[in-house]
Amino acid sequence: GENVEQHPSTLSVQEGDSAVIKCTYSDSASNYFPWYKQELGKRPQLIIDIRSNVGEKKDQRIAVTLNKTAKHFSLHITETQPEDSAVYFCAGNAGGTSYGKLTFGQGTILTVHP
Amino acid sequence: SAVISQKPSRDICQRGTSLTIQCQVDSQVTMMFWYRQQPGQSLTLIATANQGSEATYESGFVIDKFPISRPNLTFSTLTVSNLSPEDSSIYLCSVRDTGTDTQYFGPGTRLTVL
Repeated sequence: GENVEQHPSTLSVQEGDSAVIKCTYSDSASNYFPWYKQELGKRPQLIIDIRSNVGEKKDQRIAVTLNKTAKHFSLHITETQPEDSAVYFCAGNAGGTSYGKLTFGQGTILTVHP
Repeated sequence: SAVISQKPSRDICQRGTSLTIQCQVDSQVTMMFWYRQQPGQSLTLIATANQGSEATYESGFVIDKFPISRPNLTFSTLTVSNLSPEDSSIYLCSVRDTGTDTQYFGPGTRLTVL
């Protein structure tokens, strides 16, 4: 089945800096890659997603890039703010089907220092 | 996006008992899932709740321990049976937006087993 590896496990940046989180996946048939943000005690919230027919997607300060050949995708947050501090999870859909099963990475704890 | 509620939000249970968690969605959805999130860990898929048929369990999860019901397209229950302290986790239901790959999570149920 799908295996998703996420790095780094922790990331500490100064306010205003950029943050990059990287994920690799194993199943070349996977075609959907969401990113979730989870604040302490809250549910995971979808912040951005990308499909395999697109190489990059942006939404204000957040962008995701996908390299299908290398089977990796990354989350980029620019101009970080303290409220960006949270745990971020990447995911990939298993088997590349539309069945909907997601496999999650291990998570990255992002801390943005004021 | 679908509005998802879960009950209870938290519970403390004794070893050997069972807890049933309810998940209610404000619209009909085809795909519903149950995840477990152990303390400080990522999200692990327990099973897919299928309407009108038996749930589909992931490797390492069995029906006797995690029976699931899905009587209609807006409701599902997960029971965690014969509780042990190792079952202390957050349990989240998730739904896949009909016609898209997007998945949304419920608020979660925090279970503590003494």
